[in-house]
Amino acid sequence: QMQLVESGGGVVQPGSSLRLSCAASRFTFSNYGVHWVRQAPGKGLEWVAFIAFDGSNEYYADSVKGRFTVSRDNSKDTVYLQMNSLRRDDTAVYYCAKWLVRGGYMDVWGKGTTVIVSS
Amino acid sequence: EIVLTQTPLSSAVTLGQPASISCRSSQSLLHSDGNTYLSWLQQRPGQPPRLLIYKSSNRFVGVPDRFSGSVAGTDFTLKISRVEADDVAVYYCMQATQYPYTFGQGTKLEIK
Repeated sequence: QMQLVESGGGVVQPGSSLRLSCAASRFTFSNYGVHWVRQAPGKGLEWVAFIAFDGSNEYYADSVKGRFTVSRDNSKDTVYLQMNSLRRDDTAVYYCAKWLVRGGYMDVWGKGTTVIVSS
Repeated sequence: EIVLTQTPLSSAVTLGQPASISCRSSQSLLHSDGNTYLSWLQQRPGQPPRLLIYKSSNRFVGVPDRFSGSVAGTDFTLKISRVEADDVAVYYCMQATQYPYTFGQGTKLEIK
């Protein structure tokens, strides 16, 4: 079964950096784009960023633009989310999701990794 | 940015009865490629989201046929024909027609 596993979350102070990873297995990772979606405690889903299958395109939510960078290493079947200048309102569970472009949907989701920004 | 407004925000339904959730878009979700990229996702407590419906009315693989999606202009509807205990969850609509992708606020479905 296709799988995505996020890691790298933790408790950090405001202004600091963190890098999340999203490791894929049991599918040809290099054929698919990947989205990051987050969910603040007790809140709804918020789309964060996207990277195309070959890394040629990236898109970001305004709330993270200029602070977060998405990248990928297809040799490692992994997507990364580099988060800089973290703010308290970045506290959330971060999910990565596989993107099926012809269907226009996210069909495989990881279980998420928790980021807490607190002093 | 496209705003998706879901109603109701919560709903309590008797087992075996139907449920309906509405998602209204602030603008057309018709993409230049002719598709309408509106999905419905289910998030059970403590779980990641799960895809139910894509392109407004297509059921994803493995989703029970009790779930259906429809569209009329900028109004989208998710219907559950007969609610089961397993359906207790928060349901989200999501548009993927235009960046930034956006979600509705979520609708919490409970059993009465």
